Amino acid sequence: AQKVTQAQTEISVVEKEDVTLDCVYETRDTTYYLFWYKQPPSGELVFLIRRNSFDEQNEISGRYSWNFQKSTSSFNFTITASQVVDSAVYFCALSEGSGSRLTFGEGTQLTVNP
Amino acid sequence: DAGVIQSPRHEVTEMGQEVTLRCKPISGHNSLFWYRQTMMRGLELLIYFNNNVPIDDSGMPEDRFSAKMPNASFSTLKIQPSEPRDSAVYFCASSFDRVSNQPQHFGDGTRLSIL
Repeated sequence: AQKVTQAQTEISVVEKEDVTLDCVYETRDTTYYLFWYKQPPSGELVFLIRRNSFDEQNEISGRYSWNFQKSTSSFNFTITASQVVDSAVYFCALSEGSGSRLTFGEGTQLTVNP
Repeated sequence: DAGVIQSPRHEVTEMGQEVTLRCKPISGHNSLFWYRQTMMRGLELLIYFNNNVPIDDSGMPEDRFSAKMPNASFSTLKIQPSEPRDSAVYFCASSFDRVSNQPQHFGDGTRLSIL
Protein backbone atom coordinates (compact mmCIF):
# COMPACT_ATOMS: atom_id res chain seq x y z
CA ALA A 1 0.00 0.00 0.00
CA GLN A 2 1.18 3.49 -0.72
CA LYS A 3 1.33 6.27 1.83
CA VAL A 4 2.46 9.90 1.93
CA THR A 5 3.30 11.70 5.15
CA GLN A 6 3.66 15.44 5.54
CA ALA A 7 4.58 15.79 9.19
CA GLN A 8 4.41 19.58 9.23
CA THR A 9 0.78 20.59 9.63
CA GLU A 10 1.45 24.33 9.69
CA ILE A 11 4.48 26.51 9.04
CA SER A 12 4.66 30.24 9.54
CA VAL A 13 7.54 32.35 8.22
CA VAL A 14 8.32 35.97 7.56
CA GLU A 15 8.64 37.19 4.00
CA LYS A 16 12.04 36.57 2.37
CA GLU A 17 12.80 33.61 4.61
CA ASP A 18 13.56 30.26 3.00
CA VAL A 19 11.23 27.43 3.94
CA THR A 20 11.33 23.67 3.35
CA LEU A 21 8.25 21.48 3.27
CA ASP A 22 8.89 17.84 4.07
CA CYS A 23 7.37 14.84 2.34
CA VAL A 24 8.05 11.18 3.13
CA TYR A 25 6.48 8.39 1.11
CA GLU A 26 6.03 4.63 1.28
CA THR A 27 5.60 2.31 -1.67
CA ARG A 28 6.48 -1.23 -2.66
CA ASP A 29 6.76 -0.42 -6.34
CA THR A 30 10.09 0.31 -7.97
CA THR A 31 8.38 2.56 -10.49
CA TYR A 32 6.43 5.43 -9.02
CA TYR A 33 5.79 9.13 -9.46
CA LEU A 34 5.84 11.97 -6.98
CA PHE A 35 3.97 15.25 -7.25
CA TRP A 36 3.55 18.53 -5.46
CA TYR A 37 0.36 20.59 -5.65
CA LYS A 38 -0.46 24.02 -4.27
CA GLN A 39 -3.89 24.97 -2.93
CA PRO A 40 -4.14 28.75 -2.41
CA PRO A 41 -6.91 30.30 -0.29
CA SER A 42 -9.14 30.47 -3.37
CA GLY A 43 -9.33 26.66 -3.21
CA GLU A 44 -8.13 25.37 -6.54
CA LEU A 45 -5.38 22.76 -6.78
CA VAL A 46 -2.41 23.80 -8.88
CA PHE A 47 0.10 21.29 -10.21
CA LEU A 48 3.72 22.23 -9.43
CA ILE A 49 5.98 19.30 -10.29
CA ARG A 50 6.08 15.60 -11.26
CA ARG A 51 9.06 13.35 -10.68
CA ASN A 52 9.59 9.68 -11.55
CA SER A 53 11.44 7.23 -9.35
CA PHE A 54 14.31 6.82 -11.78
CA ASP A 55 15.26 10.47 -11.82
CA GLU A 56 16.87 11.63 -8.59
CA GLN A 57 18.18 14.88 -9.98
CA ASN A 58 17.13 17.85 -7.96
CA GLU A 59 15.07 20.41 -9.79
CA ILE A 60 14.93 24.16 -9.57
CA SER A 61 12.24 26.40 -10.99
CA GLY A 62 12.68 30.02 -10.04
CA ARG A 63 12.33 30.27 -6.28
CA TYR A 64 11.14 26.67 -6.02
CA SER A 65 13.40 23.65 -5.69
CA TRP A 66 12.81 19.99 -5.00
CA ASN A 67 15.13 17.47 -3.35
CA PHE A 68 14.33 13.84 -4.15
CA GLN A 69 16.22 11.23 -2.10
CA LYS A 70 15.27 7.60 -2.59
CA SER A 71 17.54 6.50 0.26
CA THR A 72 15.30 8.29 2.74
CA SER A 73 12.07 8.07 0.69
CA SER A 74 11.74 11.82 0.76
CA PHE A 75 10.72 14.46 -1.74
CA ASN A 76 11.14 17.81 -0.03
CA PHE A 77 10.13 21.18 -1.43
CA THR A 78 12.00 24.41 -0.70
CA ILE A 79 10.80 27.92 -1.39
CA THR A 80 13.61 30.47 -1.43
CA ALA A 81 12.93 34.08 -0.45
CA SER A 82 9.30 33.37 0.36
CA GLN A 83 6.58 35.85 -0.56
CA VAL A 84 3.12 36.49 0.84
CA VAL A 85 1.63 35.02 -2.34
CA ASP A 86 3.24 31.69 -1.45
CA SER A 87 0.77 31.32 1.39
CA ALA A 88 -1.21 28.19 0.64
CA VAL A 89 -1.65 24.55 1.53
CA TYR A 90 0.91 22.39 -0.22
CA PHE A 91 0.23 18.74 -0.94
CA CYS A 92 2.70 16.01 -1.77
CA ALA A 93 1.28 13.04 -3.69
CA LEU A 94 2.35 9.64 -4.96
CA SER A 95 1.19 7.35 -7.73
CA GLU A 96 2.55 3.91 -8.40
CA GLY A 97 3.64 2.74 -11.81
CA SER A 98 0.77 0.31 -12.04
CA GLY A 99 -1.94 2.92 -12.20
CA SER A 100 -2.96 6.52 -12.08
CA ARG A 101 -4.32 6.58 -8.54
CA LEU A 102 -2.91 9.54 -6.58
CA THR A 103 -2.42 9.25 -2.86
CA PHE A 104 -2.13 12.64 -1.19
CA GLY A 105 -0.41 13.63 2.02
CA GLU A 106 -2.31 15.57 4.64
CA GLY A 107 -0.96 18.87 3.39
CA THR A 108 1.14 21.62 4.98
CA GLN A 109 -0.42 25.02 5.57
CA LEU A 110 2.24 27.63 4.80
CA THR A 111 1.68 31.17 5.97
CA VAL A 112 4.11 33.86 4.83
CA ASN A 113 3.76 37.02 6.86
CA PRO A 114 4.80 40.44 5.56
CA ASP B 1 -6.67 26.51 -23.26
CA ALA B 2 -9.61 25.82 -21.02
CA GLY B 3 -8.87 23.83 -17.92
CA VAL B 4 -11.12 21.33 -16.20
CA ILE B 5 -14.55 22.87 -15.79
CA GLN B 6 -16.80 21.94 -12.90
CA SER B 7 -20.32 23.00 -12.14
CA PRO B 8 -21.86 24.19 -9.99
CA ARG B 9 -19.20 26.00 -7.96
CA HIS B 10 -21.41 25.95 -4.89
CA GLU B 11 -24.41 23.83 -4.00
CA VAL B 12 -26.55 24.05 -0.89
CA THR B 13 -29.39 21.60 -0.52
CA GLU B 14 -31.40 19.79 2.10
CA MET B 15 -30.70 16.26 3.13
CA GLY B 16 -32.52 13.65 1.13
CA GLN B 17 -32.27 15.60 -2.10
CA GLU B 18 -30.45 14.35 -5.16
CA VAL B 19 -27.24 16.18 -6.00
CA THR B 20 -25.51 16.08 -9.39
CA LEU B 21 -22.03 17.44 -9.90
CA ARG B 22 -20.70 17.95 -13.42
CA CYS B 23 -17.27 17.93 -14.95
CA LYS B 24 -15.81 18.70 -18.36
CA PRO B 25 -12.22 17.45 -18.63
CA ILE B 26 -9.46 19.07 -20.64
CA SER B 27 -9.88 18.24 -24.31
CA GLY B 28 -7.68 15.31 -25.32
CA HIS B 29 -7.26 13.96 -21.82
CA ASN B 30 -8.24 10.31 -21.50
CA SER B 31 -8.36 9.88 -17.71
CA LEU B 32 -10.82 11.53 -15.37
CA PHE B 33 -10.84 11.49 -11.57
CA TRP B 34 -13.31 12.50 -8.87
CA TYR B 35 -11.93 13.47 -5.45
CA ARG B 36 -13.51 14.60 -2.22
CA GLN B 37 -11.79 16.95 0.23
CA THR B 38 -12.79 17.25 3.88
CA MET B 39 -11.02 18.50 6.96
CA MET B 40 -11.20 15.10 8.60
CA ARG B 41 -10.11 12.89 5.71
CA GLY B 42 -8.16 15.21 3.44
CA LEU B 43 -8.17 14.51 -0.30
CA GLU B 44 -9.65 11.14 -1.21
CA LEU B 45 -10.00 9.55 -4.61
CA LEU B 46 -13.58 8.44 -5.18
CA ILE B 47 -13.42 7.00 -8.69
CA TYR B 48 -11.45 7.26 -11.86
CA PHE B 49 -12.18 6.59 -15.51
CA ASN B 50 -9.85 5.75 -18.34
CA ASN B 51 -11.19 6.14 -21.87
CA ASN B 52 -14.68 6.63 -20.35
CA VAL B 53 -14.55 3.30 -18.52
CA PRO B 54 -14.57 3.19 -14.69
CA ILE B 55 -11.28 1.64 -13.59
CA ASP B 56 -11.26 2.01 -9.83
CA ASP B 57 -14.34 2.90 -7.80
CA SER B 58 -13.09 1.53 -4.49
CA GLY B 59 -13.19 5.00 -2.98
CA MET B 60 -16.88 5.53 -3.56
CA PRO B 61 -18.31 5.73 -0.03
CA GLU B 62 -21.52 3.79 -0.52
CA ASP B 63 -24.31 3.02 -2.92
CA ARG B 64 -25.71 6.53 -2.60
CA PHE B 65 -22.82 7.69 -4.77
CA SER B 66 -22.65 6.99 -8.48
CA ALA B 67 -20.55 8.34 -11.33
CA LYS B 68 -20.88 8.20 -15.06
CA MET B 69 -18.83 9.23 -18.05
CA PRO B 70 -21.05 8.94 -21.13
CA ASN B 71 -18.42 10.46 -23.41
CA ALA B 72 -14.89 11.83 -23.39
CA SER B 73 -15.98 15.37 -22.59
CA PHE B 74 -18.43 14.94 -19.74
CA SER B 75 -18.79 13.21 -16.40
CA THR B 76 -21.25 13.37 -13.52
CA LEU B 77 -21.08 12.45 -9.87
CA LYS B 78 -24.46 11.88 -8.29
CA ILE B 79 -25.44 11.54 -4.65
CA GLN B 80 -28.92 10.21 -3.93
CA PRO B 81 -30.14 10.65 -1.26
CA SER B 82 -27.72 13.22 0.12
CA GLU B 83 -26.76 13.39 3.80
CA PRO B 84 -25.09 16.13 5.89
CA ARG B 85 -21.88 14.07 6.10
CA ASP B 86 -21.54 14.37 2.33
CA SER B 87 -20.72 18.06 2.77
CA ALA B 88 -17.28 18.59 1.27
CA VAL B 89 -15.45 20.06 -1.68
CA TYR B 90 -15.60 17.74 -4.68
CA PHE B 91 -12.85 18.02 -7.26
CA CYS B 92 -12.69 16.66 -10.75
CA ALA B 93 -9.30 16.18 -12.42
CA SER B 94 -8.12 14.95 -15.80
CA SER B 95 -4.87 13.78 -17.31
CA PHE B 96 -3.40 12.45 -20.53
CA ASP B 97 -2.25 9.07 -19.42
CA ARG B 98 -1.19 6.85 -22.28
CA VAL B 99 2.45 6.33 -21.45
CA SER B 100 3.13 7.13 -17.83
CA ASN B 101 1.54 8.79 -14.87
CA GLN B 102 1.08 12.28 -16.22
CA PRO B 103 0.05 15.05 -13.82
CA GLN B 104 -3.59 15.46 -13.07
CA HIS B 105 -5.07 18.90 -13.64
CA PHE B 106 -7.84 19.89 -11.29
CA GLY B 107 -10.99 21.91 -11.68
CA ASP B 108 -11.91 24.62 -9.20
CA GLY B 109 -14.10 22.23 -7.24
CA THR B 110 -17.73 22.18 -6.13
CA ARG B 111 -18.37 23.20 -2.55
CA LEU B 112 -21.31 21.09 -1.42
CA SER B 113 -23.29 21.78 1.73
CA ILE B 114 -26.05 19.41 2.80
CA LEU B 115 -28.30 20.88 5.47
